[in-house]
Amino acid sequence: AQSVTQLDSHVSVSEGTPVLLRCNYSSSYSPSLFWYVQHPNKGLQLLLKYTSAATLVKGINGFEAEFKKSETSFHLTKPSAHMSDAAEYFCVVRGDSSYKLIFGSGTRLLVRP
Amino acid sequence: EAGVTQSPTHLIKTRGQQATLRCSPISGHTSVYWYQQALGLGLQFLLWYDEGEERNRGNFPPRFSGRQFPNYSSELNVNALELEDSALYLCASSGGTATNEKLFFGSGTQLSVL
Repeated sequence: AQSVTQLDSHVSVSEGTPVLLRCNYSSSYSPSLFWYVQHPNKGLQLLLKYTSAATLVKGINGFEAEFKKSETSFHLTKPSAHMSDAAEYFCVVRGDSSYKLIFGSGTRLLVRP
Repeated sequence: EAGVTQSPTHLIKTRGQQATLRCSPISGHTSVYWYQQALGLGLQFLLWYDEGEERNRGNFPPRFSGRQFPNYSSELNVNALELEDSALYLCASSGGTATNEKLFFGSGTQLSVL
């Protein structure tokens, strides 16, 4: 069975400093992995997805994630945080069946001025 | 182009009542998914509809049900409401089973059960 673990429930950074949101996955086969972002009062938005092409995936708003099979990780990074990045971020793996996305518990990113 | 729209944005009910939540997918999308986001529990898969039929459901009791209409909009019904049903209910749509990886989410309906 597939699962994801987001290692931090809250991450706080200063504006202009790097962002690292950690995600480990468990999958019996090569997984499809995603990062979604949820801003207050808005729906979830796809940031980026990995589907066994390049291991370094670039997403929107300057985010990127690297798929590391040896570490079963798919951490989300951004070189320089912006105030507008404050939101909840979800690491997601596609389940055994094509319809089912399995969400991590979420990481709330706080950006200090 | 309009995104996924959900109504109402907020819904307050009392225990034992029924709640009906509505979702309109992006034009051209045939698949609709429902997720429950309860406090501290993350997002849980509820239901998937495609082409008017229920394709699968998550681990929720039968009092959670729904349907998809010919125009692909969808309703989620929760009968005999319980306090723990209080949550944000998110609807998502996609272009179909072949492209279901990219989901477009609505802003959700916040259901409060008193």
